[in-house]
Amino acid sequence: NAGVTQTPKFQVLKTGQSMTLQCAQDMNHEYMSWYRQDPGMGLRLIHYSVGAGITDQGEVPNGYNVSRSTTEDFPLRLLSAAPSQTSVYFCASSYQGPQSGYTFGSGTRLTVV
Amino acid sequence: QKEVEQDPGPLSVPEGAIVSLNCTYSNSAFQYFMWYRQYSRKGPELLMYTYSSGNKEDGRFTAQVDKSSKYISLFIRDSQPSDSATYLCAMSAGSNYQLIWGAGTKLIIKP
Repeated sequence: NAGVTQTPKFQVLKTGQSMTLQCAQDMNHEYMSWYRQDPGMGLRLIHYSVGAGITDQGEVPNGYNVSRSTTEDFPLRLLSAAPSQTSVYFCASSYQGPQSGYTFGSGTRLTVV
Repeated sequence: QKEVEQDPGPLSVPEGAIVSLNCTYSNSAFQYFMWYRQYSRKGPELLMYTYSSGNKEDGRFTAQVDKSSKYISLFIRDSQPSDSATYLCAMSAGSNYQLIWGAGTKLIIKP
């Protein structure tokens, strides 16, 4: 099994550009989340989904959109990139919810210049 | 004050030593406690999972939860250079609640 697959691994954007970070899992997990990780700040939840067609905001949702049309895929869209969105982004999935533990992808390193 | 406090380190110890990593928390409603290991430029991976109080052992790793003191620990016996990583604690009040994360402790095991 591939687990959680994120693409791309690296990306450089100019301020104001938009892009979509892709996330796919093959474990039939209903619960999926997007986190960003910044030095000294740990993991912060951006958006999450409890199943296809259902999404909700996390701690830092501004500037990001998500959709969940299938169980497998959970893309994260940056609407108009800002330097403050320079970060490492992780997608994670869970069978029963975050309290049972996540499987993480390998991350996308995003730099906004 | 953060809900979960974790010393960022780095913590540097010689190979073979016993390592103790800790987190303190303020929310007495937390019931689920986890430790994740994150190697450089990789995603976190779930290492240990504990529900409520007590100890849990898995090979060289022991997770301990003291709810009365709001304190959790991860012990690593016979530490190896391959244990060098950042260790993140995470906790949750239940299925309708998100995980609250510590900032992570960077551990370095010197050969």
